[in-house]
Amino acid sequence: LAKTTQPISMDSYEGQEVNITCSHNNIATNDYITWYQQFPSQGPRFIIQGYKTKVTNEVASLFIPADRKSSTLSLPRVSLSDTAVYYCLVAQYSSASKIIFGSGTRLSIRP
Amino acid sequence: EAGVVQSPRYKIIEKKQPVAFWCNPISGHNTLYWYRQNLGQGPELLIRYENEEAVDDSQLPKDRFSAERLKGVDSTLKIQPAELGDSAVYLCASSLRVEDTGELFFGEGSRLTVL
Repeated sequence: LAKTTQPISMDSYEGQEVNITCSHNNIATNDYITWYQQFPSQGPRFIIQGYKTKVTNEVASLFIPADRKSSTLSLPRVSLSDTAVYYCLVAQYSSASKIIFGSGTRLSIRP
Repeated sequence: EAGVVQSPRYKIIEKKQPVAFWCNPISGHNTLYWYRQNLGQGPELLIRYENEEAVDDSQLPKDRFSAERLKGVDSTLKIQPAELGDSAVYLCASSLRVEDTGELFFGEGSRLTVL
């Protein structure tokens, strides 16, 4: 099971770009990298997933270097509503896989 | 389309009492998960179902926890008897076949307080 390490907390300001980096040194060949967002009193919500290079959707971008030992979630022009906990997961999506969450990064956005 | 529905949202019980949580996954989702989330921590997997079969229950404390998924749709998680340390949010999630996608859809959770 690949273990992930991410900062416990981060602070930023509205309108800034926020980058959250996750380390997963033991990532396996078949592992995908997935990020979730969780607001208070809600379940986690899928943000983005990737295997290598760069993935972009309407919410965020995910940058994965060639060695795949880390990944960076990039949130462009954050707003107060982006204040949440962000989880980085690595998992193989097979019948034998476990989808395990770490402790996440608590992101606080200030006006 | 309706999301994952859980009930109750909140439950307060005294220790040694039983409690049950119910989950209705998204229609067509074969895989169902129960997670437990303690305050300030990430969700911890308790059990995963593929249709009606529990394929991973290694983290379920089987002395007091039980779960079932009748007909491969709704699921119930039961705790009997509850202990103080069981106070947490119990999250249900569902997904298409786990091999097809990594996206889990979570419900809002059931917050349990054991007094």
